[in-house]
Amino acid sequence: RKEVEQDPGPFNVPEGATVAFNCTYSNSASQSFFWYRQDCRKEPKLLMSVYSSGNEDGRFTAQLNRASQYISLLIRDSKLSDSATYLCVVNRNAGKSTFGDGTTLTVKP
Amino acid sequence: DVKVTQSSRYLVKRTGEKVFLECVQDMDHENMFWYRQDPGLGLRLIYFSYDVKMKEKGDIPEGYSVSREKKERFSLILESASTNQTSMYLCASRSPGTGRTDTQYFGPGTRLTVL
Repeated sequence: RKEVEQDPGPFNVPEGATVAFNCTYSNSASQSFFWYRQDCRKEPKLLMSVYSSGNEDGRFTAQLNRASQYISLLIRDSKLSDSATYLCVVNRNAGKSTFGDGTTLTVKP
Repeated sequence: DVKVTQSSRYLVKRTGEKVFLECVQDMDHENMFWYRQDPGLGLRLIYFSYDVKMKEKGDIPEGYSVSREKKERFSLILESASTNQTSMYLCASRSPGTGRTDTQYFGPGTRLTVL
């Protein structure tokens, strides 16, 4: 079993839709959590950190459930520019990070 | 803005060649990382360094070595390139911290093809 698991998708949604991605992690000692975005043939870039209390950045909402060991990302009012691969990232101890394989989102007009 | 640069965007080498991939960051970050990214396997950590001359093996260090002589530069070395090392190589740097500051900044990647 992978340390971080994501549904690879693809998710194909119309503009304006709300879409949610989930990610589960197996190491209960994981310390911090993030969502990164990766556009085709580009490097990953930080989208947002994920806090236990949940956090929001514009149309994006991230949540963490430590008891169930999953994190989620909700995108409201999807835009064409949201089309990308979304990577779930879990930081372990000793400075190492584990990346999920990513969930691909395509937003269509 | 953090800037992480990698020496080449595309590289083609032959089996058995020694390959150097260079990475430079301009934000005085202590931690630097080398990953490879392959379809269906995601990003996998090869090596990381938490300070000058310090290195730690990641999850897939076999066939690779690294060098960190200066804080801003972290090099990945393929001693004898093989075809199964054809991949996208991504360098990242990070300033140690917690929460919002504990994030990695990636370079643009080097797509290496070994023939």
